[in-house]
Amino acid sequence: ETGVTQTPRHLVMGMTNKKSLKCEQHLGHNAMYWYKQSAKKPLELMFVYNFKEQTENNSVPSRFSPECPNSSHLFLHLHTLQPEDSALYLCASSFAPTGEETQYFGPGTRLLVL
Amino acid sequence: DQQVKQNSPSLSVQEGRISILNCDYTNSMFDYFLWYKKYPAEGPTFLISISSIKDKNEDGRFTVFLNKSAKHLSLHIVPSQPGDSAVYFCAASRNSGNTPLVFGKGTRLSVIA
Repeated sequence: ETGVTQTPRHLVMGMTNKKSLKCEQHLGHNAMYWYKQSAKKPLELMFVYNFKEQTENNSVPSRFSPECPNSSHLFLHLHTLQPEDSALYLCASSFAPTGEETQYFGPGTRLLVL
Repeated sequence: DQQVKQNSPSLSVQEGRISILNCDYTNSMFDYFLWYKKYPAEGPTFLISISSIKDKNEDGRFTVFLNKSAKHLSLHIVPSQPGDSAVYFCAASRNSGNTPLVFGKGTRLSVIA
């Protein structure tokens, strides 16, 4: 059982749909992250939550809306996405970001926007 | 502008030989570096890290070397095994609290039996 789980693992949605990605961590961490991985690009940090408070929003379009109800759960709500948003969305968690924390990743959600 | 660069998109190595994966960075404020390994359809898994106060960190078959003056780090895997075939990501951060990891694009390692 991995410490960070993500559901669903695969998602196909139309541009007018609304869907949510879920992440759960069982490692007792305080910080959670959303990353986007597109083909041939580095991992892009989207959002950081530290003790449920959003501390980083890396210029992400408003069609991506994160929610962190507690330190163990993180959601990414999606609406009116574009085909170029198709990518692998990775969740990660760590202890409070001090600069030397190790982030542990979930398996990712492979998203295809049609 | 990419702050963390992995200039080799792919690398092939014979089983039993040494694999050397390279990473360069441009931000002199980075002081903590990590390597992650990623298999297809899985998230990246942490492999090894090094703080800027060290120039070498070893864990079993994996050794990371840091050359601060050259802003360069490398991951050595010896001996390489077929199960090491994966994409390896280099990441860096600043020890100033609340700063995100910055990742390279990754290098795909293929270990040939």
